[in-house]
Amino acid sequence: GAVVSQHPSWVICKSGTSVKIECRSLDFQATTMFWYRQFPKQSLMLMATSNEGSKATYEQGVEKDKFLINHASLTLSTLTVTSAHPEDSSFYICSANEPGQGNTEAFFGQGTRLTVV
Amino acid sequence: GDSVTQMEGPVTLSEEAFLTINCTYTATGYPSLFWYVQYPGEGLQLLLKATKADDKGSNKGFEATYRKETTSFHLEKGSVQVSDSAVYFCALRKAGKLIFGQGTTLQVKP
Repeated sequence: GAVVSQHPSWVICKSGTSVKIECRSLDFQATTMFWYRQFPKQSLMLMATSNEGSKATYEQGVEKDKFLINHASLTLSTLTVTSAHPEDSSFYICSANEPGQGNTEAFFGQGTRLTVV
Repeated sequence: GDSVTQMEGPVTLSEEAFLTINCTYTATGYPSLFWYVQYPGEGLQLLLKATKADDKGSNKGFEATYRKETTSFHLEKGSVQVSDSAVYFCALRKAGKLIFGQGTTLQVKP
């Protein structure tokens, strides 16, 4: 199957700093990628849909100025958590679909555990 | 709106026991249905899927049947192993977006 790689797998940062998380499709081009957030012992919540070459579409309640998404190429989407605070600590996961597979399988990155201290 | 509801966990079973994790969904149209598994400290892995009514997805001894009449996609396995201990997520997919259930933790004891 297709491979989606996320980096870093974990990061610790100080309050007030910004953190960038990368999501790459390694062996296919992804015009659309998705960013999810998972709180401890809870489900994944879709944060935003990242569209190559255009603005991301954010889900209701997600602060677009805090969670900056850039999808500058067909193989890379980035999520930047700006001015991070302890409540932003979470597990962030990206996913991507292969072209032409829009309603079947999504491939997930391994996730990034962010801890803000 | 569209949603997925799973049975609450944790589910604790002895090795070789029969497993059922219930999943029901609410959605307009005909979504695809999935089960994902998350092992500790890892991302999600697709376990199985079904794209239309009456389809049965199966993988690694796990099965689930897409039941449109009951809007269900229950996960079953005849004989669980300790290595099956993980969190299981039921999900539906429409227009490329995945909507997840709350997840069910499975603990299998030797």
